Amino acid sequence: DSGVTQTPKHLITATGQRVTLRCSPRSGDLSVYWYQQSLDQGLQFLIQYYNGEERAKGNILERFSAQQFPDLHSELNLSSLELGDSALYFCASSTRQSTDTQYFGPGTRLTVL
Amino acid sequence: AQSVTQLGSHVSVSEGALVLLRCNYSSSVPPYLFWYVQYPNQGLQLLLKYTSAATLVKGINGFEAEFKKSETSFHLTKPSAHMSDAAEYFCAVSSPSGGYQKVTFGTGTKLQVIP
Repeated sequence: DSGVTQTPKHLITATGQRVTLRCSPRSGDLSVYWYQQSLDQGLQFLIQYYNGEERAKGNILERFSAQQFPDLHSELNLSSLELGDSALYFCASSTRQSTDTQYFGPGTRLTVL
Repeated sequence: AQSVTQLGSHVSVSEGALVLLRCNYSSSVPPYLFWYVQYPNQGLQLLLKYTSAATLVKGINGFEAEFKKSETSFHLTKPSAHMSDAAEYFCAVSSPSGGYQKVTFGTGTKLQVIP
């Protein structure tokens, strides 16, 4: 158990819909990272937050957005969903910055039908 | 810009044989380097990490990796493969970029262990 929790574990929805994925980092960790893992694209870094502020952006689509709240939990919002958005979405946290070890959550499996 | 290249998306070894997973990186400054492992239906977990101290880094489960600056490599090895080592392995690099530390993961190598 990494100490990072993600909800829900599974999510099935339809094209065009909007979903919110939630992540609670390890106690004391200030950085949160979001990743998308799919068979064809592999592990893709989406976005990083540090203590409530956006720190780095990766291959995140404009239809996707994220935020980190004052209690340090984070949410990833995916809108206008397409079939290709079906993937595993991982959240990770680290103490401060990305030179620190990242601790990964169990992931949310999103299926878009 | 930094990058990571993992040679071989699939590697098969016999149980008891040497495991060698290759990782080459590109970074304009001395990087931090990581190997993570992902077991089926799980998130990634850290195997080992290089932070510019010793060039030979020992990790969990008998794995180790050697940082070779001249070759820009950070290959992962284990002397004797065990069935439980079957998993996907990711190399990652972290270095300063635009005022903050950026981390980049490789595309992963799936290790199959043949009994």
